[in-house]
Amino acid sequence: LAKTTQPISMDSYEGQEVNITCSHNNIATNDYITWYQQFPSQGPRFIIQGYKTKVTNEVASLFIPADRKSSTLSLPRVSLSDTAVYYCLVVPPSDQFYFGTGTSLTVIP
Amino acid sequence: DADVTQTPRNRITKTGKRIMLECSQTKGHDRMYWYRQDPGLGLRLIYYSFDVKDINKGEISDGYSVSRQAQAKFSLSLESAIPNQTALYFCATRQGHEQFFGPGTRLTVL
Repeated sequence: LAKTTQPISMDSYEGQEVNITCSHNNIATNDYITWYQQFPSQGPRFIIQGYKTKVTNEVASLFIPADRKSSTLSLPRVSLSDTAVYYCLVVPPSDQFYFGTGTSLTVIP
Repeated sequence: DADVTQTPRNRITKTGKRIMLECSQTKGHDRMYWYRQDPGLGLRLIYYSFDVKDINKGEISDGYSVSRQAQAKFSLSLESAIPNQTALYFCATRQGHEQFFGPGTRLTVL
């Protein structure tokens, strides 16, 4: 079971790029890395997934170094609506997921 | 219509009562999950199911039971509710590495 560690909270001003790093030291060879966004009283919403190097979609980018022991979610030019909790989740074949406590991002006007 | 639905959305019950939370999905996914979330904490896995004949315990299964009635339905039961089961409960399905979450059920046990 690959447990993850993220900063508890982060603040950013509107329009800035935000990088949230997650540590997953015991990630296994077949594990994927995924990130979710959660607004209060709502279910988490999938943002992005990756295995290694860099992945980009219309919402975010995900950077994964060669050793895969960490990953960084990058949100370009954040707005107030990006205020949420962001979870890094390592996905093993076994389905024993560990969400952790996530990073609470506050975007300041 | 939402792909993953949960009923009820809110429930207040008393200690010792039996309660069932229901989850339905129209996504056609085989894998379904039940999580609980406590204030300020992340999601913890209670049970998961690969199909109607395959149910597995998660991190915190004690005090809970589940039933997979069909591919589309996965129910969570609290046989005898206790106050520390007060939480927000989420159902989810999975395809590939992506999970799809329902809107949640807020359960309060008095």
